[in-house]
Amino acid sequence: NAGVTQTPKFQVLKTGQSMTLQCAQDMNHNSMYWYRQDPGMGLRLIYYSASEGTTDKGEVPNGYNVSRLNKREFSLRLESAAPSQTSVYFCASSVSGDNEQFFGPGTRLTVL
Amino acid sequence: QKEVEQDPGPLSVPEGAIVSLNCTYSNSAFQYFMWYRQYSRKGPELLMYTYSSGNKEDGRFTAQVDKSSKYISLFIRDSQPSDSATYLCAMRQHSRLTFGEGTQLTVNP
Repeated sequence: NAGVTQTPKFQVLKTGQSMTLQCAQDMNHNSMYWYRQDPGMGLRLIYYSASEGTTDKGEVPNGYNVSRLNKREFSLRLESAAPSQTSVYFCASSVSGDNEQFFGPGTRLTVL
Repeated sequence: QKEVEQDPGPLSVPEGAIVSLNCTYSNSAFQYFMWYRQYSRKGPELLMYTYSSGNKEDGRFTAQVDKSSKYISLFIRDSQPSDSATYLCAMRQHSRLTFGEGTQLTVNP
């Protein structure tokens, strides 16, 4: 039981490049989330998917797109990376609307 | 103004001390109140949650909620070096969590 897995663990991009962060969970959870964590700002919700086939914007969605590929997988795409998107990105999953969200190990992204 | 305010610290205490971590919030619609713990370079993990005003105890940890003051606390008794981590308060409205900034705690042997 791997829980929530994220790839890659680290990434360096140049401004304007695109990339997709992958997330998968094996806990049969309905809800999945993408957060970014920055010093002084804490964890902020980018997008979430309450159930397979649905996605909704969170607090900071600009510059990002998401795809809920199936119940297990939820990807985050940066179409044209900017230095302001340098952050640590966490994926999480939960039973629908539950208080306990299970987090992945994070992806450390640097945009030069 | 942030919906959830948390003093980022850092907080450094000797082993065995009682630690008090606090958050205030402005959104009366928050229904559930949680504390997550995050070790360095790891994802957060749920420590405990409460629903109503009052205290909830789990071993050395006590969570306290005062809805009238919009104030929540986490107390750690007999703190251990293994408690060194960042503690994030979180509050739930419907299916979304709003997190505080996190307080970095170091317990010195």
